[in-house]
Amino acid sequence: DVKVTQSSRYLVKRTGEKVFLECVQDMDHENMFWYRQDPGLGLRLIYFSYDVKMKEKGDIPEGYSVSREKKERFSLILESASTNQTSMYLCASSFLGLASRREQYFGPGTRLTVT
Amino acid sequence: AQSVTQPDIHITVSEGASLELRCNYSYGATPYLFWYVQSPGQGLQLLLKYFSGDTLVQGIKGFEAEFKRSQSSFNLRKPSVHWSDAAEYFCAVGGKGSQGNLIFGKGTKLSVKP
Repeated sequence: DVKVTQSSRYLVKRTGEKVFLECVQDMDHENMFWYRQDPGLGLRLIYFSYDVKMKEKGDIPEGYSVSREKKERFSLILESASTNQTSMYLCASSFLGLASRREQYFGPGTRLTVT
Repeated sequence: AQSVTQPDIHITVSEGASLELRCNYSYGATPYLFWYVQSPGQGLQLLLKYFSGDTLVQGIKGFEAEFKRSQSSFNLRKPSVHWSDAAEYFCAVGGKGSQGNLIFGKGTKLSVKP
């Protein structure tokens, strides 16, 4: 079974703190994604990566950065956390090649609260 | 513009009743379609997917979905709902030309009455 793990299920941080959210997948997937999920807004893509050291902006990259130094690991960084970044953060991964295998596999999510 | 619309924000059905969740998409190329389910406080789990071939696809937990190109729809169905099906359901679309990005609908929350 594909496994996508996220470093924390719940996180509470203060405004202005630097926050790291980590995601690890064990299926040798090329693609990795970070989403945030808010009530009524669905899933919004923050960043994605299709290879080590490669990154692409999604729909809402402002206030976030990412790092992918190893194929299995994709980190989301909040340089200076703000209260409007309080949300559920979901990591996902998928194959890049054959389109029929491009379904995304999701981690359990990290609920981040910024006070 | 590429988009996915789930017209129903919240649906309530009685246990044992049939279920249909609607999904309409707008996508320029041949679409690949997915349904995911999310239990409270959890990540998303893939229910089923459509890439090509038979337009009626079967998924896990007794769910099925039908791709109708003429209507740009991919509705999810289940003949008899169980209380454990209460969750949020997301439709998503991707394409052959993309790098694996999916466009998600905003979700339909399903409640099940005993």
